[in-house]
Amino acid sequence: KAGVTQTPRYLIKTRGQQVTLSCSPISGHRSVSWYQQTPGQGLQFLFEYFSETQRNKGNFPGRFSGRQFSNSRSEMNVSTLELGDSALYLCASSRQTSGLTDTQYFGPGTRLTVL
Amino acid sequence: AQSVAQPEDQVNVAEGNPLTVKCTYSVSGNPYLFWYVQYPNRGLQFLLKYITGDNLVKGSYGFEAEFNKSQTSFHLKKPSALVSDSALYFCAVRDPRNSGNTPLVFGKGTRLSVIA
Repeated sequence: KAGVTQTPRYLIKTRGQQVTLSCSPISGHRSVSWYQQTPGQGLQFLFEYFSETQRNKGNFPGRFSGRQFSNSRSEMNVSTLELGDSALYLCASSRQTSGLTDTQYFGPGTRLTVL
Repeated sequence: AQSVAQPEDQVNVAEGNPLTVKCTYSVSGNPYLFWYVQYPNRGLQFLLKYITGDNLVKGSYGFEAEFNKSQTSFHLKKPSALVSDSALYFCAVRDPRNSGNTPLVFGKGTRLSVIA
């Protein structure tokens, strides 16, 4: 079974631009979560989608948004990029059959560099 | 609020020796605990989780972790370290008393270096 895939793997943007990242979950997984990883802040939760609905949101500004499609694929968008948005963005999927006990499986991430 | 602490930024161990990566948690009720490993330029790989039952949990690649409720700890262990175990290790927690599907809360990570 294929794992979580994320595209693109690497991205370079300049301040003020916007970016869209894509995530395809493991087949059969209905929940997709996004995390931002930086050396200073570690892993921080962005948001979680289930059945095309945002179920949970972390403490990030409104410039960060996401959506989920009917096939469970998800995208996240960051508008008006800032230097501090440079990070590894990780997507994770889970089955959502057990809720809180479910294991999240992570993709390889998208490395975003903002110049 | 739930939180996780990994008190060591870096752990060095000789190949063949046992290794321990420490994790302590703060959760109001009984926690759900997870360990992940991250290799360079890769995402996080799931190692093991504790939900309920036996305090000693066995996971992938020969790793195991012991849940200790009195010490609020969930240390990751391996009897004999390999050079290939060198990576960044993350402990994570969920509070089952929270309603809805709460996200994983991660520790800052511990870098393990296994020296040949």
